[in-house]
Amino acid sequence: NAGVTQTPKFQVLKTGQSMTLQCAQDMNHNSMYWYRQDPGMGLRLIYYSASEGTTDKGEVPNGYNVSRLNKREFSLRLESAAPSQTSVYFCASRPPGTSKGGELFFGEGSRLTVL
Amino acid sequence: AQTVTQSQPEMSVQEAETVTLSCTYDTSESNYYLFWYKQPPSRQMILVIRQEAYKQQNATENRFSVNFQKAAKSFSLKISDSQLGDTAMYFCAFKAGTYKYIFGTGTRLKVLA
Repeated sequence: NAGVTQTPKFQVLKTGQSMTLQCAQDMNHNSMYWYRQDPGMGLRLIYYSASEGTTDKGEVPNGYNVSRLNKREFSLRLESAAPSQTSVYFCASRPPGTSKGGELFFGEGSRLTVL
Repeated sequence: AQTVTQSQPEMSVQEAETVTLSCTYDTSESNYYLFWYKQPPSRQMILVIRQEAYKQQNATENRFSVNFQKAAKSFSLKISDSQLGDTAMYFCAFKAGTYKYIFGTGTRLKVLA
């Protein structure tokens, strides 16, 4: 079972460059999320998508855009990367309703470094 | 504001011993879910255990159990018979409402041989 797949797993960018992190899930989940993980700060929500066609800002959305391309895919775009966006990014999805107690299923993470 | 606090940044335990990781949270909601996630060096976040707030019985999963104190807003994780493979970062998380999850800052656990 693939679960949640993120690409790329590692990326180095220069300040001002743009890039897109891709995420796909094959579990027919409605909700998808993007988090960033920084040392000492846990996971912080960037954006989420409750269902296909909808997206909402999370705690730290500045500098990011998202696209819910279809039910499977949820991408995160950095239009003009900044060193403050150096982080590990996680995509997650959740089954509908209270199935599995609202458990989030995570991808393996993408380590992004902005020089 | 809803918050999750893990007050132990790092802990260590001898193999085969028992260790307890602390987590407190703050919310005005009456029904919610609490989770412990494990993040090994491979980075993959894996669910360890979940607790539904309306259930008084503490959740258990093999060597992992929780001590859920709803009135005190406390949700600690006990790992029994610790194994080297338990070495990881552990995150406590709270599901607030339909879509929002709040994570603590994590506790790095090292199991010593």
